[in-house]
Amino acid sequence: GNSVTQMEGPVTLSEEAFLTINCTYTATGYPSLFWYVQYPGEGLQLLLKATKADDKGSNKGFEATYRKETTSFHLEKGSVQVSDSAVYFCALKFNDYKLSFGAGTTVTVRA
Amino acid sequence: EPEVTQTPSHQVTQMGQEVILRCVPISNHLYFYWYRQILGQKVEFLVSFYNNEISEKSEIFDDQFSVERPDGSNFTLKIRSTKLEDSAMYFCASSDREANEKLFFGSGTQLSVL
Repeated sequence: GNSVTQMEGPVTLSEEAFLTINCTYTATGYPSLFWYVQYPGEGLQLLLKATKADDKGSNKGFEATYRKETTSFHLEKGSVQVSDSAVYFCALKFNDYKLSFGAGTTVTVRA
Repeated sequence: EPEVTQTPSHQVTQMGQEVILRCVPISNHLYFYWYRQILGQKVEFLVSFYNNEISEKSEIFDDQFSVERPDGSNFTLKIRSTKLEDSAMYFCASSDREANEKLFFGSGTQLSVL
């Protein structure tokens, strides 16, 4: 079936460090790919997306590129801040109602 | 920004009891969803709902589960006879368009079945 596998956490970083969270997918066909983020006490919210191969999604300094050859959608940020502390979820979706999520990766950024 | 509201934030119940989890979606949204996440596992799709009926449901969503939109604002998930394995974080979500990829999620209800 269609699924995503993302890097297990937790991940702890210092401010201004480089962040990478790996995500790979298994799918029949070419899904749209997403990163959602959940800040403490809040609901999941869409961070960025890419709908076809080689697309790059970006938002709030985060980037992820849809790589068909490696079936990956790794999330990166060059210089993290304390406010980036959150749980990050990779997800995929075809033209139907449901998103298929990963287990989430908890990121803690220390000042 | 408008938000999806879920109540309660925590619910503790005894095995075999009925629970109702409540959600208030964003007011102009028409598509509603329930997801859940068992501790340490993936966020799983349960059900989608549109025009007062279920559009799609997963294998998890068996006869013990039901959803309802009792009025113009609330969207509820009922579990008739809870089991230990129903313990999870339950997320409600809504969107304004069919197959919209931008879902707005609530902050979740943590259900603990003892």
